[in-house]
Amino acid sequence: QITLKESGPTLVKPTQTLTLTCTFSGFSLSSNGEGVGWVRQSPGKALEWLAVVYWNDDERYSPSLKDRLTITKDTSKNQVVLRMTNMDPVDTATYYCAHRGWSVFGIGRLYYFDYWGPGNLVTVS
Amino acid sequence: EIVLTQSPGTLSLSPGDRATLSCRTSQSVDSRYLAWYQQRPGQAPRLLIYAASSRATGIPDRFSGSGSGTDFTLTIYRLEPEDFAVYYCQQYGSWYTFGQGTTLEIK
Repeated sequence: QITLKESGPTLVKPTQTLTLTCTFSGFSLSSNGEGVGWVRQSPGKALEWLAVVYWNDDERYSPSLKDRLTITKDTSKNQVVLRMTNMDPVDTATYYCAHRGWSVFGIGRLYYFDYWGPGNLVTVS
Repeated sequence: EIVLTQSPGTLSLSPGDRATLSCRTSQSVDSRYLAWYQQRPGQAPRLLIYAASSRATGIPDRFSGSGSGTDFTLTIYRLEPEDFAVYYCQQYGSWYTFGQGTTLEIK
C-alpha cells in the first residue's frame, strides 16, 4: 500500500526559503519508472503542479517557478524534499506530494498521480 | 505550455442526474497522458480517470472518460451525493498542467 505524507513549517516569512519533506512508503524511488511530484493549491484556487523527480534522477519543474524550486530525493530514507526560495504571501497554499504512477500500455507507458499525501498548509506572512 | 480550459466553471445538478464536464487543451494532447481528478472539500485530489478513459482502481463505473486531440469529457452517470465536488483535468507532456476545475454542486 502506497502512502505519502508532507511535513514542514506551517508559517514562513516573506523572502524566506520553504523546505518541505515528503516521506513515503510502499514503493522505492530507485525502481524503474517511479516518480514523486509536488502540487500546490492556493485557498479556493486550482491545483498547480510544481516539480517532479524520477527514479533516474531526472527533475522537471514548472516553467513559471523553476528559478525558485529545487527538488531532491533520498532513496535510502524514502523521502523527497522540495525547496522554494524567496517566499511571498501569494505562495500561501496547501502543498501536496504525490506518487507519479505508471502502467504499461502497448509499447509505451501511461503516467498519472495516483496516490497523494494529505497536504501541508503553508502560510506566508 | 499547454493550457487546459474546463467548462462549465460550475455545474448545478441533482442526485440521479448525469453530469458532463469538458476539458479543452490549447494543443493536441496524447490521450495516454490525460487524467481526471476529484477533490472533495478539505481532501487531497483523487485519481479518477487516466489515459483519458481508463478508470483508476476502485472508481465506480458511473464515471466515464472519453475524448482525443484537444477535447476531452468526463461523464458521471446517476450522480450520488458524494460525487458533488471539484473536478480537474490534467495533462502530461514535458511537464504537468491542470485545468482550472469544474465545481459540481447540488441544485
